[in-house]
Amino acid sequence: AQSVAQPEDQVNVAEGNPLTVKCTYSVSGNPYLFWYVQYPNRGLQFLLKYITGDNLVKGSYGFEAEFNKSQTSFHLKKPSALVSDSALYFCAVRPRGTGNQFYFGTGTSLTVIP
Amino acid sequence: DAMVIQNPRYQVTQFGKPVTLSCSQTLNHNVMYWYQQKSSQAPKLLFHYYDKDFNNEADTPDNFQSRRPNTSFCFLDIRSPGLGDAAMYLCATSSATGSHQPQHFGDGTRLSIL
Repeated sequence: AQSVAQPEDQVNVAEGNPLTVKCTYSVSGNPYLFWYVQYPNRGLQFLLKYITGDNLVKGSYGFEAEFNKSQTSFHLKKPSALVSDSALYFCAVRPRGTGNQFYFGTGTSLTVIP
Repeated sequence: DAMVIQNPRYQVTQFGKPVTLSCSQTLNHNVMYWYQQKSSQAPKLLFHYYDKDFNNEADTPDNFQSRRPNTSFCFLDIRSPGLGDAAMYLCATSSATGSHQPQHFGDGTRLSIL
């Protein structure tokens, strides 16, 4: 079965410190990988994606993510957290070539403490 | 700007009274999705359209129906809402099957049941 795991429901980090939000997946083939952010009472906003190539991808608002094929992980990172980064973050996976399904992780609530 | 628009943003209905939520898109995407999201959980896919082909998830209750009269519009009909149907409903679009392009989400409709 296809699955995406975000092992941490909640991540707290001090403003200015680096942050990491973890994601691992079990999806057949070499799927496309995505991160989304959701602010209260809003839809999900696309942050970044991994297609192929360089394992470190850069996205919106200073976020980046590191792909690790052997560990089937795609962790979201930011070198210096801002209070405005506090939100709900979802990892998502889409199989290549077939189907229209996106598989979502359970979400991680990030709180950046001033 | 190309986007996904959901109306209304907030909807209140009575127990058992049919309600329709609407979604429109200017992205000309083939695929449109409806998700149900409860209290900071991961979005749960109800169904999706690929062009006019309707794809229902196996665990979506019969109470939920959908219509897609053209590429731009998609509707979610809840025939007899129960208290458990109170949630945020998200519409999303994506381009063709297996693409590396991300989903684009509307800001959702928050449904309350009296």
